[in-house]
Amino acid sequence: QQQVKQSPQSLIVQKGGISIINCAYENTAFDYFPWYQQFPGKGPALLIAIRPDVSEKKEGRFTISFNKSAKQFSLHIMDSQPGDSATYFCAASKHNAGNMLTFGGGTRLMVKP
Amino acid sequence: DTEVTQTPKHLVMGMTNKKSLKCEQHMGHRAMYWYKQKAKKPPELMFVYSYEKLSINESVPSRFSPECPNSSLLNLHLHALQPEDSALYLCASSALLGSYEQYFGPGTRLTVT
Repeated sequence: QQQVKQSPQSLIVQKGGISIINCAYENTAFDYFPWYQQFPGKGPALLIAIRPDVSEKKEGRFTISFNKSAKQFSLHIMDSQPGDSATYFCAASKHNAGNMLTFGGGTRLMVKP
Repeated sequence: DTEVTQTPKHLVMGMTNKKSLKCEQHMGHRAMYWYKQKAKKPPELMFVYSYEKLSINESVPSRFSPECPNSSLLNLHLHALQPEDSALYLCASSALLGSYEQYFGPGTRLTVT
């Protein structure tokens, strides 16, 4: 069964700190690993995504690190801000192959001022 | 325009009512999705339409009936729901079926009394 395991379930970080969320997957057929950000009362929004042939991708303060051999990937939020407080979902997909997104369980991030 | 709109924002219905949720996108996407999201959980896929044809039904009870009148619109008809069906119902779209890049609407908060 396709699964993506995400940890931690919740995370509290001080403003300016680094937030780190980890995910692990089982199915090596996945070829895209997106992260979605969801604010209360809103739908999830694509934040950043990575392919398994890339070890790291950075967009602003958000970085995905990817370890293909370990089947793990993580999201790092540098200089975390109170506005980053949201729920983050990692996901996995076999892009455009008819397979749907497989979401991790989510991490509720709170950044304290 | 990268927006997916959903109406209504909130809906309270009794177990004998019939109601409909509506979703609209004008991005030219050919895949549209219905998800159900419970509190503190990831979105759970319900239905997928590709080129206006039902592609995936994730064993959803028949009290939920999807409809795709055209490439921009997606409806979810509700009838004889149960209190456990109370949740946030999210609509999403993507350029093609199975794309990792999905655009989500803000959702309809449904309460069944």
